[in-house]
Amino acid sequence: AQSVAQPEDQVNVAEGNPLTVKCTYSVSGNPYLFWYVQYPNRGLQFLLKYITGDNLVKGSYGFEAEFNKSQTSFHLKKPSALVSDSALYFCAVRDVAAGNKLTFGGGTRVLVKP
Amino acid sequence: EPEVTQTPSHQVTQMGQEVILRCVPISNHLYFYWYRQILGQKVEFLVSFYNNEISEKSEIFDDQFSVERPDGSNFTLKIRSTKLEDSAMYFCANARLAGPTDTQYFGPGTRLTVL
Repeated sequence: AQSVAQPEDQVNVAEGNPLTVKCTYSVSGNPYLFWYVQYPNRGLQFLLKYITGDNLVKGSYGFEAEFNKSQTSFHLKKPSALVSDSALYFCAVRDVAAGNKLTFGGGTRVLVKP
Repeated sequence: EPEVTQTPSHQVTQMGQEVILRCVPISNHLYFYWYRQILGQKVEFLVSFYNNEISEKSEIFDDQFSVERPDGSNFTLKIRSTKLEDSAMYFCANARLAGPTDTQYFGPGTRLTVL
């Protein structure tokens, strides 16, 4: 079965500093990986995805993610965090064998302090 | 980003009552999904739906649950007889195609509270 792990429940970072949110995955077959962000009282907003090709994927709001096959990781990064980046971040993997449903990690809360 | 809308935003119901959660999809996005998130837990897949048929469902999606597109537009999730443990945030998601590379766009969710 496919699975996703987000080892940190919360990440605290000062505004202007680099932000990294960790994600590791376990899949059989090719990994199709996604990052979503959830702001308070809002739904899940798509940030970026890895399908194939370049290991560095660029997404919305200045976020990027690095796919590392040998470490089975797909960490989300932002070079300079903003207070407005404070939110809940979810990593997900597509389960191709099960109707392409998304399997989510537990989420990481990011708090960016001014 | 394309927008999926959901109504109501918050539904409070008594145990044993039926509830219907509604989702208005993105135009030309014909693949539908329902997920739920119990407070403090992971987002979990419930069901996928295409061409008026369920494509895949999880073990959570038992006989109490059903989905349909009654008017060819809105997509609904019905819970026939709600239980306390059905209290959760329910998200509708919508994709243009069903392939593994296609992005699922999520609605803002309906918070269901069963008393």
